[in-house]
Amino acid sequence: QVQLQESGPGLVKPSQTLSLTCTVSGGSISSGSYYWSWIRQPAGKGLEWIGRIYTSGSTNYNPSLKSRVTISVDTSKNQFSLKLSSVTAADTAVYYCAREKGARTDYWGQGTLVTVSS
Amino acid sequence: QSALTQPASVSGSPGQSITISCTGTSSDVGSYNLVSWYQQHPGKAPKLMIYEGSKRPSGVSNRFSGSKSGNTASLTISGLQAEDEADYYCCSYAGSSTFYVFGTGTKVTVL
Repeated sequence: QVQLQESGPGLVKPSQTLSLTCTVSGGSISSGSYYWSWIRQPAGKGLEWIGRIYTSGSTNYNPSLKSRVTISVDTSKNQFSLKLSSVTAADTAVYYCAREKGARTDYWGQGTLVTVSS
Repeated sequence: QSALTQPASVSGSPGQSITISCTGTSSDVGSYNLVSWYQQHPGKAPKLMIYEGSKRPSGVSNRFSGSKSGNTASLTISGLQAEDEADYYCCSYAGSSTFYVFGTGTKVTVL
């Protein structure tokens, strides 16, 4: 059973870079034709797709965030990461990491709240 | 790319059937048979309920079904149960520039 767990600072100052890591257990991040994704949800609001990375390392990003987002993978640690630069209060949200295959996201982490505040 | 449009809320009595709509455009829902639906209980991560428009993952009750007509996808919950009370989100592939767009979300209330 695949499990995903987000980790990282819960508080980030405005204009700084948000950094989160997702650790995958129960399977190798390199095996299978999977995308590894980040999705966020502001409190009381809907879901927003941030981007994804394929096992080969290729990435796709939400056009509205593309200039500020970097997703990377560390296969040796079975982890993938999110960096979001120049954050503002609008980036305050619960951030989920997830596994996607064929346009279906079947495994999700529990989510981690990141607050942007000075 | 705008979010897909869902009704803010839908309600029904136990045992009834309800349908949640998800309206997009010819650039997303209308162009691809790649709509998925997610159930989210308060404080929990979303759970995949339907993918590729009408397919159910293993373990998901057959009370959940999906369909699509034109630019609108739909999720039907039959035999409504108390445990179905949750938020539901649709999501569609929207091409190789936008990739994915989620719906605005629908709160389902079991009366």
